[in-house]
Amino acid sequence: NAGVTQTPKFQVLKTGQSMTLQCAQDMNHEYMSWYRQDPGMGLRLIHYSVGAGITDQGEVPNGYNVSRSTTEDFPLRLLSAAPSQTSVYFCASTSPRAGTYSPLHFGNGTRLTVT
Amino acid sequence: DAKTTQPPSMDCAEGRAANLPCNHSTISGNEYVYWYRQIHSQGPQYIIHGLKNNETNEMASLIITEDRKSSTLILPHATLRDTAVYYCIVRVAPKTSYDKVIFGPGTSLSVIP
Repeated sequence: NAGVTQTPKFQVLKTGQSMTLQCAQDMNHEYMSWYRQDPGMGLRLIHYSVGAGITDQGEVPNGYNVSRSTTEDFPLRLLSAAPSQTSVYFCASTSPRAGTYSPLHFGNGTRLTVT
Repeated sequence: DAKTTQPPSMDCAEGRAANLPCNHSTISGNEYVYWYRQIHSQGPQYIIHGLKNNETNEMASLIITEDRKSSTLILPHATLRDTAVYYCIVRVAPKTSYDKVIFGPGTSLSVIP
């Protein structure tokens, strides 16, 4: 049971390049989400999904696309990277089946630098 | 916006209790208080949660005021490994609906030898 796995751990992009940050979970969690973390700002919600085929926007969705074709995977796409997207990205998952005990499980992050 | 406010930083002597406060004056009746911590640049880790009763587990205790407008996370015997950023959030239980979980900047706790 690996939990939430994010790849790659580190990435450097040039402005205008595109890439996909991968997130996979093996806990059969219905809910998955993406956050970005900038210094001193906590975590900000980018997009989230409540199940395969269903996604919605969070606080800071601009510049990012998501899709959810399977329960396990929730990739985050940057179509045209900008320096403002330099950040640490975290993926998280949870399930409503656990009731009130349903904390978010986080991956260890992808550190992205856009030059 | 985050529904909670926390002090930006705190210090605690090693071996003493660390008491981390959180204000959530607009909490709704169906919202729970959750605490997470983030060590270095790892992903946040769940610590504890509660609705209105005090809760204790192997990591910490959570004290929620009777009016539920504030709470305190207690690490009974802080160690150097407890140095981290601690986040207090409020959210509905996801069995009823999915709430956008919003994190504020948290409290940076430094445990001092």
